[in-house]
Amino acid sequence: NAGVTQTPKFQVLKTGQSMTLQCAQDMNHEYMSWYRQDPGMGLRLIHYSVGAGITDQGEVPNGYNVSRSTTEDFPLRLLSAAPSQTSVYFCASSYVAGELFFGEGSRLTVL
Amino acid sequence: TQLLEQSPQFLSIQEGENLTVYCNSSSVFSSLQWYRQEPGEGPVLLVTVVTGGEVKKLKRLTFQFGDARKDSSLHITAAQPGDTGLYLCAGITGNQFYFGTGTSLTVIP
Repeated sequence: NAGVTQTPKFQVLKTGQSMTLQCAQDMNHEYMSWYRQDPGMGLRLIHYSVGAGITDQGEVPNGYNVSRSTTEDFPLRLLSAAPSQTSVYFCASSYVAGELFFGEGSRLTVL
Repeated sequence: TQLLEQSPQFLSIQEGENLTVYCNSSSVFSSLQWYRQEPGEGPVLLVTVVTGGEVKKLKRLTFQFGDARKDSSLHITAAQPGDTGLYLCAGITGNQFYFGTGTSLTVIP
């Protein structure tokens, strides 16, 4: 059972570089979301989607873009990375307001 | 804006002891969930509580949702080393999940 798959697991970027964190789920969940996890801060919602073609901002959306062209995929784009974006990123999916299923996380370091 | 505060932030106890973790907010949530996260992995759901005043038991874990649906507690009886991990509460409003600041629990054998 694949569940939620995130790639890459580790990434190092230089300030100003761009990259995309990939997230795919095979559970036919309508709801998908991206979080960042920093020490002492818990998980903070970046962006979420309730279905293909529908996205919305969470608590900390600045510096990140998302799109949802299919039910399965929900990529997170960093257009110009900054050191403040160094974090562990988690993608999660669920039936709307149900149990969140998380990926294993992507650890990003911005130098 | 961090809507949910958890206490304590860190907890280190001996095997067999009891403990309680608190999750407090000034906001009302339609439901509240508790997750446990182990190092290098994503959080995993433990329980969902929906009704104000609701109490749910999961083996040695007891979860309570406050009457006003603003706060919750997690009580663990006779803690075991396998309970070690980061415990996160999450309040749900509409389509958004708001996670607490987390409680890192270490149970020493």
